Amino acid sequence: GQQLNQSPQSMFIQEGEDVSMNCTSSSIFNTWLWYKQDPGEGPVLLIALYKAGELTSNGRLTAQFGITRKDSFLNISASIPSDVGIYFCAGQVGEGAQKLVFGQGTRLTINP
Amino acid sequence: SQTIHQWPATLVQPVGSPLSLECTVEGTSNPNLYWYRQAAGRGLQLLFYSVGIGQISSEVPQNLSASRPQDRQFILSSKKLLLSDSGFYLCAWSTGGSRQPQHFGDGTRLSIL
Repeated sequence: GQQLNQSPQSMFIQEGEDVSMNCTSSSIFNTWLWYKQDPGEGPVLLIALYKAGELTSNGRLTAQFGITRKDSFLNISASIPSDVGIYFCAGQVGEGAQKLVFGQGTRLTINP
Repeated sequence: SQTIHQWPATLVQPVGSPLSLECTVEGTSNPNLYWYRQAAGRGLQLLFYSVGIGQISSEVPQNLSASRPQDRQFILSSKKLLLSDSGFYLCAWSTGGSRQPQHFGDGTRLSIL
């Protein structure tokens, strides 16, 4: 089946640093989504990408849909303590029911 | 605005007991509904999805079943729980169409003893 390779698995950074994570796949997706999950809660949507080459920002977050439609990256600028959590990429297949394939997550830890 | 509710938040069940987890969505009609399971420290795996009342599609063979008795209600069930059913279960909804992302509930932590 389809799989997403998300890296890095974990990051330990200083407050104020920029962060970059990415997802790659051997399959093509028509949508890429980035979610953040806090402990004991459901994932919260950060950015949705619908078109190859699309670059979208949400505050300090920027994400891009790769030209090949097989990859995506998420950047966080000037990290702050509330950025701590697990970040997931997800690729969507299908049109009627949007089935998502998730990456394994990137756990972000920030040292103040 | 739309909201999604899952309950219970936490559940501890003995092996072999039945299970019923409930998910409801408010503020929208005819949503697509989804059940996911998340193992500790891992990504989410799609278990079931539904595009309408009584319509259930299963993504992976397992000991669980799903039902959609009402438009905005999605239930995850088991007749006999296994140890391997432990995990974090998440319900999600989306509207129809290709550019409608999924939105998740806060999940149910299920522990099997």
